[in-house]
Amino acid sequence: AQSVTQLDSQVPVFEEAPVELRCNYSSSVSVYLFWYVQYPNQGLQLLLKYLSGSTLVESINGFEAEFNKSQTSFHLRKPSVHISDTAEYFCAVSVNNQGGKLIFGQGTELSVKP
Amino acid sequence: DAGVIQSPRHEVTEMGQEVTLRCKPISGHNSLFWYRQTMMRGLELLIYFNNNVPIDDSGMPEDRFSAKMPNASFSTLKIQPSEPRDSAVYFCASSLALGQGYGYTFGSGTRLTVV
Repeated sequence: AQSVTQLDSQVPVFEEAPVELRCNYSSSVSVYLFWYVQYPNQGLQLLLKYLSGSTLVESINGFEAEFNKSQTSFHLRKPSVHISDTAEYFCAVSVNNQGGKLIFGQGTELSVKP
Repeated sequence: DAGVIQSPRHEVTEMGQEVTLRCKPISGHNSLFWYRQTMMRGLELLIYFNNNVPIDDSGMPEDRFSAKMPNASFSTLKIQPSEPRDSAVYFCASSLALGQGYGYTFGSGTRLTVV
């Protein structure tokens, strides 16, 4: 069965520092990959996604993620974080030939400190 | 579009009572998902529908849980009888279709507390 592993449950970081949230998936077939963000007391919101084409995808608020097929990874990065980026981040995968539902990772709690 | 609408936002009920959570998906979306989120278990998929038909309910924890989708614009998740361990945030999400790279749009959730 397909799975998604987010290697860090919590990532504390100081404001304006770079951050990387790691995500690995297990699948031998083509996939679609997503990152969602959940701010406190809110639902999940789509941050960015990879469907095909360029392996580097970006969000409107400065996050980017790179699809690495050989390493089956889709790590999320931001060169300089803000206090407002404090949230929980979920990686998800959709496998083309497995019904199409999203499989979510366990989430990474990003805590940005002043 | 108003997005996925869930009601109520908060529900406090006594153990043994029936609880009904409601969801209105985005118009035109054909797939609907019910999730439960807790600190201990994270985000769990309970059940999902495609074109109003339940596709997979293997995540429903017990027979006390049931879900319906009588039409394309409305779904309910019912817990009867409720227990304190059912306390969680319940999310509804909808998607244009299954697969094809369509993401989900989530509602704001219903925070259920069973005392």
